[in-house]
Amino acid sequence: GNSVTQMEGPVTLSEEAFLTINCTYTATGYPSLFWYVQYPGEGLQLLLKATKADDKGSNKGFEATYRKETTSFHLEKGSVQVSDSAVYFCALSDRSGGYQKVTFGTGTKLQVIP
Amino acid sequence: ETGVTQTPRHLVMGMTNKKSLKCEQHLGHNAMYWYKQSAKKPLELMFVYSLEERVENNSVPSRFSPECPNSSHLFLHLHTLQPEDSALYLCASSPGSIRYNEQFFGPGTRLTVL
Repeated sequence: GNSVTQMEGPVTLSEEAFLTINCTYTATGYPSLFWYVQYPGEGLQLLLKATKADDKGSNKGFEATYRKETTSFHLEKGSVQVSDSAVYFCALSDRSGGYQKVTFGTGTKLQVIP
Repeated sequence: ETGVTQTPRHLVMGMTNKKSLKCEQHLGHNAMYWYKQSAKKPLELMFVYSLEERVENNSVPSRFSPECPNSSHLFLHLHTLQPEDSALYLCASSPGSIRYNEQFFGPGTRLTVL
C-alpha cells in the first residue's frame, strides 16, 4: 500500500533561518503530492501541491518539487518567520473510485523563535 | 475559512452518553471524510462517503456510527465511548473532478471522554 515518511520533529529554528522538512513516499501509480499545514487549534490547510513528476508547488514562500526518481517531496523555505510555527504534513493522493484517498505522514512540528 | 464547518468545536462526554458531531461543506463537493487525530499518531481515516454512499470504513469500532443524509452534511454519532477515543475529529471534503484533488478540512471537534 501507499505510505509517506517525513522527518521527526520538533524542528526549532531562529527567525530568517532556512527550512527543510524531508518527505519520501511509496506508492503505486502516479499519485499527487501535497503539503498541508495545521496551525494551533485549527484543521489542516493545503499549503502546496504537485500533480506530476518535476512539478514544483509553491505558496507563501514555501516550495517543494515532485522528484519521482528519489520518491521525495521535500518542503523548503528560504527565511522562516515566527508565524510559520505549525505542524506540517506531507501527503499523497490516489484516486480510488469516485473519491481521493489520501495517505498522510505523521507530521513535523516547526517552532520558529524570534 | 475553508468552506467546511464543524460543530461543536469542543465536546466533553461521559462513557454512557450519546452525542453527535456535525460537518457541513459549502463547496459543492461529492466526497466527505471523517478523520481521527490523536497526539503522536498519524492521521487516521475513519470513514469516506462518495455521493452519499459509504465507500470506506477502516475497521472503526461500532460505537462510532456515520451518517451522510446529503452531499453537504456528514454526521458522526457517538455512543458508549472509551477514554482512548479522546482526540480531535476532523471532517474533510473533496471535489469529484480528478483535476481538483486536494481535500478541504474543517477546524475539527476536540472530544474528551471522561
